[in-house]
Amino acid sequence: DGGITQSPKYLFRKEGQNVTLSCEQNLNHDAMYWYRQDPGQGLRLIYYSQIVNDFQKGDIAEGYSVSREKKESFPLTVTSAQKNPTAFYLCASSIGERQPQHFGDGTRLSIL
Amino acid sequence: SQQGEEDPQALSIQEGENATMNCSYKTSINNLQWYRQNSGRGLVHLILIRSNEREKHSGRLRVTLDTSKKSSSLLITASRAADTASYFCATDVLRDYKLSFGAGTTVTVRA
Repeated sequence: DGGITQSPKYLFRKEGQNVTLSCEQNLNHDAMYWYRQDPGQGLRLIYYSQIVNDFQKGDIAEGYSVSREKKESFPLTVTSAQKNPTAFYLCASSIGERQPQHFGDGTRLSIL
Repeated sequence: SQQGEEDPQALSIQEGENATMNCSYKTSINNLQWYRQNSGRGLVHLILIRSNEREKHSGRLRVTLDTSKKSSSLLITASRAADTASYFCATDVLRDYKLSFGAGTTVTVRA
């Protein structure tokens, strides 16, 4: 059964620590995305990748980093430079640009 | 930047009633999409309507698009408790294929 898997479901970060959120898809989609969702707000784009070994910054990339070494995987690192990381993080993928996006079930990141 | 804005922010209806929510956007678009999000879950794609389309149906869902008013509406007919969720519109603008999401409409269907 194809889909997107995000892990872990809950993650806690200590001050000064980098944490990495996992996103894996078996839909054979070329494009992958990371969004941040804060309470009562819509999704804001952090990074996106249209093809392996290439990615672009979204609207709120500061304090985050990504890699796209495999088509199936698009991990997001929340660095210590991100001073307000508490949020719900959603990963998505699509066949191509302007196409419907398939979402994982998110990772909730909190500060210890 | 947030391109779309949904209205109302929240909606409470009785099971069996229809629910209507609206989305307004600022700049010309290629497509407009509607998504549903159940509490604590990811988004699920519902419908995509292209800028040259005026209406689209999928089961109990009806979406309209008025490009002259830069607005779209999502109608859910004969609502069920399972329709309780947040609904988001997302637009991709000309010359930029990134999706821009609104803040969503939270729909509660009372049994």
